[in-house]
Amino acid sequence: GAVVSQHPSWVICKSGTSVKIECRSLDFQATTMFWYRQFPKQSLMLMATSNEGSKATYEQGVEKDKFLINHASLTLSTLTVTSAHPEDSSFYICSPKVGKRAEAFFGQGTRLTVV
Amino acid sequence: AQTVTQSQPEMSVQEAETVTLSCTYDTSESDYYLFWYKQPPSRQMILVIRQEAYKQQNATENRFSVNFQKAAKSFSLKISDSQLGDAAMYFCAYTGNQFYFGTGTSLTVIP
Repeated sequence: GAVVSQHPSWVICKSGTSVKIECRSLDFQATTMFWYRQFPKQSLMLMATSNEGSKATYEQGVEKDKFLINHASLTLSTLTVTSAHPEDSSFYICSPKVGKRAEAFFGQGTRLTVV
Repeated sequence: AQTVTQSQPEMSVQEAETVTLSCTYDTSESDYYLFWYKQPPSRQMILVIRQEAYKQQNATENRFSVNFQKAAKSFSLKISDSQLGDAAMYFCAYTGNQFYFGTGTSLTVIP
């Protein structure tokens, strides 16, 4: 299966600062990457879909200026949480689209805590 | 719109016994995939089992098997000989062009 490496696995930052989360596909090329957010005891909620070389598509209610997504290459997609606030504290997971349909591979996730 | 429903927020099972987790979904597509994922406390999403909608035969993976009823849009997961390591959140998921996840079932395994 596809290997997806997500870093950092956890991060603590101060309110008002920005945090970048990287998601790398190690043994394949991902033209599309899904970014999810998961609050405790809840399901994964799709935040946005990034496509290599083009602008990301954001789900309703997700602020595109706050959650900056860059997909500059076929092996790297990044999510930057800008001007983070405590309510942004969550678990963020990336998942590449492999082939025609969304496949079953996920990064290890990033636990973000904003203090 | 595609939706995935897990009606059991919590389930428990005695070690070595069998438990079945329920999942229903709604879609107008004819070709899709269904998955069960396990999410342990580490929160890494682990694929448990996958079913292709065009295949009538139920998927099995060791102690894990599914009961796929396409007409009823039902996709339940059976865990046989439950082990302590099976304790986790379980998510049912449907995929077309993107994933749609259920709300999850928290499984407790009682020693």
